[in-house]
Amino acid sequence: RKEVEQDPGPFNVPEGATVAFNCTYSNSASQSFFWYRQDCRKEPKLLMSVYSSGNEDGRFTAQLNRASQYISLLIRDSKLSDSATYLCVVNMDTGRRALTFGSGTRLQVQP
Amino acid sequence: NAGVTQTPKFQVLKTGQSMTLQCAQDMNHNSMYWYRQDPGMGLRLIYYSASEGTTDKGEVPNGYNVSRLNKREFSLRLESAAPSQTSVYFCASSEPPSAGYNEQFFGPGTRLTVL
Repeated sequence: RKEVEQDPGPFNVPEGATVAFNCTYSNSASQSFFWYRQDCRKEPKLLMSVYSSGNEDGRFTAQLNRASQYISLLIRDSKLSDSATYLCVVNMDTGRRALTFGSGTRLQVQP
Repeated sequence: NAGVTQTPKFQVLKTGQSMTLQCAQDMNHNSMYWYRQDPGMGLRLIYYSASEGTTDKGEVPNGYNVSRLNKREFSLRLESAAPSQTSVYFCASSEPPSAGYNEQFFGPGTRLTVL
């Protein structure tokens, strides 16, 4: 079982649609959670952190369910510019190890 | 600020050749990382440096060595390249996890092909 699992997609949605991605993680002791965005042939960039209480940034809402060990990302009113791969990222310990990345969910927003 | 820079952007090697990938950051971060990204695999950690003078192995260190030259620079060396090392390599930097918030900033990547 992968430590961080995501549906690879692609999710093909029309402009203006609402789309949701889920991600599950294996380590119940995980400390920090993030969504990164990666455009084609570019480096990953932080989209938003995920807090236990849930958080929102404009059209993007992230939620964390520790009991079920999953994280979600909701995108409302999709734009063409939202087309990218969304990486679910977990910090599994605060010691030496770095972040653990899911393999990503690809989103294609169509006109 | 340039952020995280990597050189070269592209490289083609023959099996058995060696090369060093260079990475530098100007954000005064203590921690630096090397990842590789393969299709369907996500980013996997090769090596990690918590601070200047320290390095640690990640998930996939075999076939690689690293040097933390100073606080700014962290290089990755392939001593004898193999086709299995064909990948996209990303360098990243951040404040250490103990700081409580560890957003990582990535360089643009090096696309390496080993024939």
